[in-house]
Amino acid sequence: KAGVTQTPRYLIKTRGQQVTLSCSPISGHRSVSWYQQTPGQGLQFLFEYFSETQRNKGNFPGRFSGRQFSNSRSEMNVSTLELGDSALYLCASSNPVVGASYGYTFGSGTRLTVV
Amino acid sequence: GNSVTQMEGPVTLSEEAFLTINCTYTATGYPSLFWYVQYPGEGLQLLLKATKADDKGSNKGFEATYRKETTSFHLEKGSVQVSDSAVYFCALPQGAGGSYIPTFGRGTSLIVHP
Repeated sequence: KAGVTQTPRYLIKTRGQQVTLSCSPISGHRSVSWYQQTPGQGLQFLFEYFSETQRNKGNFPGRFSGRQFSNSRSEMNVSTLELGDSALYLCASSNPVVGASYGYTFGSGTRLTVV
Repeated sequence: GNSVTQMEGPVTLSEEAFLTINCTYTATGYPSLFWYVQYPGEGLQLLLKATKADDKGSNKGFEATYRKETTSFHLEKGSVQVSDSAVYFCALPQGAGGSYIPTFGRGTSLIVHP
């Protein structure tokens, strides 16, 4: 079955612009989570969506937002880009059941460079 | 909250050497524990997991044993290959009420030389 698909793979934006990243989860997976990965901070959790509702949120400013559609596809948006937003943005999908023994499947990420 | 601490890298080994990457955790109760691997230019892949104390997860020659006495989940491989060069992340879930988010360690870079 198809994996998690993130588009685009690479993006270059200018400071002050906004950007939208897309994630298509594995078919049947209803939970989509977003992470920011940088060399300095490692993997940081942005937010999680489940059945079109944001269920968990990390410690990021309001410039970072997301949404999930009825087909479980998710988008994240970053407004007023700053140089420090340059990072690899990873999306992960899962099909959670009661308990926490499930794993996540990650996409290959979107490499965002802000200049 | 729950957290993991990994040894810092990079870990540099010759092919066929023995690998250990240390991971210790702090958690309420006994959550599932995971190792993920990230190859260059790719996202993370689930490598192995253990769901309860004394469980051993294994995959692709890698193993890790869930040890509650030492709160550890060290990753081991008996003979590494150049293709194992990647970044390895230890993780455990954080949350409650059916909603859990993996919390990751900082990652340990492994470099294997021929």
